[in-house]
Amino acid sequence: GESVGLHLPTLSVQEGDNSIINCAYSNSASDYFIWYKQESGKGPQFIIDIRSNMDKRQGQRVTVLLNKTVKHLSLQIAATQPGDSAVYFCAENTSGTYKYIFGTGTRLKVLA
Amino acid sequence: NAGVTQTPKFQVLKTGQSMTLQCAQDMNHEYMSWYRQDPGMGLRLIHYSVGAGITDQGEVPNGYNVSRSTTEDFPLRLLSAAPSQTSVYFCASKTSADTQYFGPGTRLTVL
Repeated sequence: GESVGLHLPTLSVQEGDNSIINCAYSNSASDYFIWYKQESGKGPQFIIDIRSNMDKRQGQRVTVLLNKTVKHLSLQIAATQPGDSAVYFCAENTSGTYKYIFGTGTRLKVLA
Repeated sequence: NAGVTQTPKFQVLKTGQSMTLQCAQDMNHEYMSWYRQDPGMGLRLIHYSVGAGITDQGEVPNGYNVSRSTTEDFPLRLLSAAPSQTSVYFCASKTSADTQYFGPGTRLTVL
């Protein structure tokens, strides 16, 4: 588990603060975007998704923002908790294809 | 539902050995896929299947074979293991519309 996360950018936040994790996507044709959470030693877990006809989508404590002009995606986590500590990565897809492009991820550390 | 299950969780092989990584899903998903995850890189697609009897190559298929005889199972075979295949392997499944759901992974070391 830990070996996969070596050399990842790290975001450290205080418990209770908001977290913002960013992702630049590569394919202008991508129209579906997903955020995953991966805890040490576990498989990626779906958090939230957004399609290109939207620029914002909210879930429980999470919000995804999409800026198609600059090909940028962000994940906002409100009131960050110790259980949010994990690696977060984005994925992009073009509808009708089976090709997903995955980012390398950002490690989120929540400080007590 | 158990979701996506993978066995074994850990495996150590010697160079040249062959083995099969097992993947099963109980969600009646049409699409299944295999990825490998290496340090500093995003998940890379090895092979995928859009239904029983149909498979196709992904981004890094060399050294791996797959088959899809049932909707539920999608095994990944390493024909002759090489140290470059040391990685964490994830199986995923989805319907045609939904996002992919991943299994817990198999950590493979090839000596």
